[in-house]
Amino acid sequence: QMNLVESGGGVVQPGRSLRLSCAASGLTFSTSAMHWVRQAPGKGLEWVASIWYDGSHESYADSLKGRFTISRDNSNNMLYLQMNSLRAEDTAVYYCARFSSFVSAFDYWGQGVLVTVSS
Amino acid sequence: EIVLTQSPGTLSLSPGERATLSCRASQSVNSMYLAWYQQKPGQAPRLLIYVTSTRATGIPDRFSGSGSGTDFTLTISRLEPEDSAVYYCQHYGSSPLTFGGGTKVEI
Repeated sequence: QMNLVESGGGVVQPGRSLRLSCAASGLTFSTSAMHWVRQAPGKGLEWVASIWYDGSHESYADSLKGRFTISRDNSNNMLYLQMNSLRAEDTAVYYCARFSSFVSAFDYWGQGVLVTVSS
Repeated sequence: EIVLTQSPGTLSLSPGERATLSCRASQSVNSMYLAWYQQKPGQAPRLLIYVTSTRATGIPDRFSGSGSGTDFTLTISRLEPEDSAVYYCQHYGSSPLTFGGGTKVEI
């Protein structure tokens, strides 16, 4: 079992920055690839970013490159998403999720955190 | 980028009926990397099916997946009221990871 809890969401003005956190407990976080997935209000799921178990490789959705940075702290079982130059279209619920290489799918999800970009 | 197109957008059925949800890929995908998720309002998605046809832990056997190449299907054999949700297919294996647009099942 793995429990994921996101935090750090809220209302932010366009152009500002925000950092999301995801605290993991249970299964060994340090051996898990982790992702961020977002969902705009009333819309579908959109993959945002991923990071390998050891932090050695990151991937991003093309539309977000250069503005968002994913990172992790395995010593504290934490995942982060640094979001810069935020835009109204970044308004969404952001989920952290574990990607299991065994099933090649997301087997654990956090409850999500809402980010609203508005002036 | 592999685009996943789900149809229909909405499916309205009665309890006990069979639901057939389609996920079509813009190019052939490895069936090892095709999964389905269920999302209920206000909740995070839940993994239903992985590797095209394997049910995740705790998923009832009325849920089944099939397909290959570009065409994949999620079937709910006997709908229960609690199956009302949006269902997403997802592909992994080439960057970027992609989700379909979802099918809403109303019961």
